[in-house]
Amino acid sequence: SAVISQKPSRDICQRGTSLTIQCQVDSQVTMMFWYRQQPGQSLTLIATANQGSEATYESGFVIDKFPISRPNLTFSTLTVSNMSPEDSSIYLCSVYTNTGELFFGEGSRLTVL
Amino acid sequence: AQSVTQLGSHVSVSEGALVLLRCNYSSSVPPYLFWYVQYPNQGLQLLLKYTSAATLVKGINGFEAEFKKSETSFHLTKPSAHMSDAAEYFCAVGGSGNTGKLIFGQGTTLQVKP
Repeated sequence: SAVISQKPSRDICQRGTSLTIQCQVDSQVTMMFWYRQQPGQSLTLIATANQGSEATYESGFVIDKFPISRPNLTFSTLTVSNMSPEDSSIYLCSVYTNTGELFFGEGSRLTVL
Repeated sequence: AQSVTQLGSHVSVSEGALVLLRCNYSSSVPPYLFWYVQYPNQGLQLLLKYTSAATLVKGINGFEAEFKKSETSFHLTKPSAHMSDAAEYFCAVGGSGNTGKLIFGQGTTLQVKP
């Protein structure tokens, strides 16, 4: 298994500002992902965080809006840039282990006013 | 392309009754299938997974699911509901050689009545 810690767990932000979410894993993992869960909705994959290279974004998500860093195999950050109320969501870090399981962090609950 | 449909956004059962949460999938490759549970204000926890081994998969907390290729279904069941089972349940599908990129269903909220 993998233990994933996310910070902050929740935040309230003003429109137009940016917030960086941190994800720390207790072991080295190759595959790390960022998902978004909008209020009352399911999860949507934002991007794959690649260690030492640019993240791979899914359709509808762009680097300028959601820059991602992955400096090593245990840590990643997701920034939500120039926020609007539509960005109010839960952002979840997840890792895929060699047992074929996807583990999730507790999520970062973001409210944009 | 892959997709997941969860039938019923809300399911209500009495404590001790059978729990049945429905999931149908579409996949052009042999699927890997998962059920996750999300308790209020928490992240997702893996209940069980199907990865082309036994078609009847047993998970945690007494849940199990059966992969039926002919019906493209992966329904989640539990013989006897407990109050603590009240949560949001998500079915998800990934491709063979699953890389961890999952497509999630819309979720089913399970309510357990005393």
